[in-house]
Amino acid sequence: ELKVEQNPLFLSMQEGKNYTIYCNYSTTSDRLYWYRQDPGKSLESLFVLLSNGAVKQEGRLMASLDTKARLSTLHITAAVHDLSATYFCAVAPTGTASKLTFGTGTRLQVTL
Amino acid sequence: DTAVSQTPKYLVTQMGNDKSIKCEQNLGHDTMYWYKQDSKKFLKIMFSYNNKELIINETVPNRFSPKSPDKAHLNLHINSLELGDSAVYFCASSHFGAGGDNEQFFGPGTRLTVL
Repeated sequence: ELKVEQNPLFLSMQEGKNYTIYCNYSTTSDRLYWYRQDPGKSLESLFVLLSNGAVKQEGRLMASLDTKARLSTLHITAAVHDLSATYFCAVAPTGTASKLTFGTGTRLQVTL
Repeated sequence: DTAVSQTPKYLVTQMGNDKSIKCEQNLGHDTMYWYKQDSKKFLKIMFSYNNKELIINETVPNRFSPKSPDKAHLNLHINSLELGDSAVYFCASSHFGAGGDNEQFFGPGTRLTVL
């Protein structure tokens, strides 16, 4: 059974600081997704990573994928309060394009 | 607006009742999903339909029955509701196939409370 672990589970950081969220998974995969969820809201797609070495950036967020290490990272640069949310990674095992297993989520709180 | 929509947004009901949640997408996708998010925010896939055919059926009590009348709609019917069914249920949709990114787009969620 595929296991997807995120760490940390909770992250409190000051505005202007940098930090990285880690997503480890237990089986081969060629698709990894990052989502953002604000309290009481839906999930918003942030990044789709489809190959080893893929790197995508949007604003202060940058995601990368290392399929050999079964690891994805979500790097936050110079955090701002608006980034406060819960971030999920989700993995589809190789050959199961649509069956996503979600990580536990990382609740990010950016303080002034 | 192009989106995934769900009704109702909130559902409060008594144990033992039967209820349905409806989902519609106008993104032109061929695959739709139901997810359950529990009180600890853990998200788990329940079902998926591709072109009205069930392709994912996770270990879910048979009190839950999905129905897809066409590829733009996926409904979830729940019989004999139990306290443990209280959760947020999300519908999602995507294209399906090895060649694309299969990015899933989520609806706003239905918060089900069983009393």
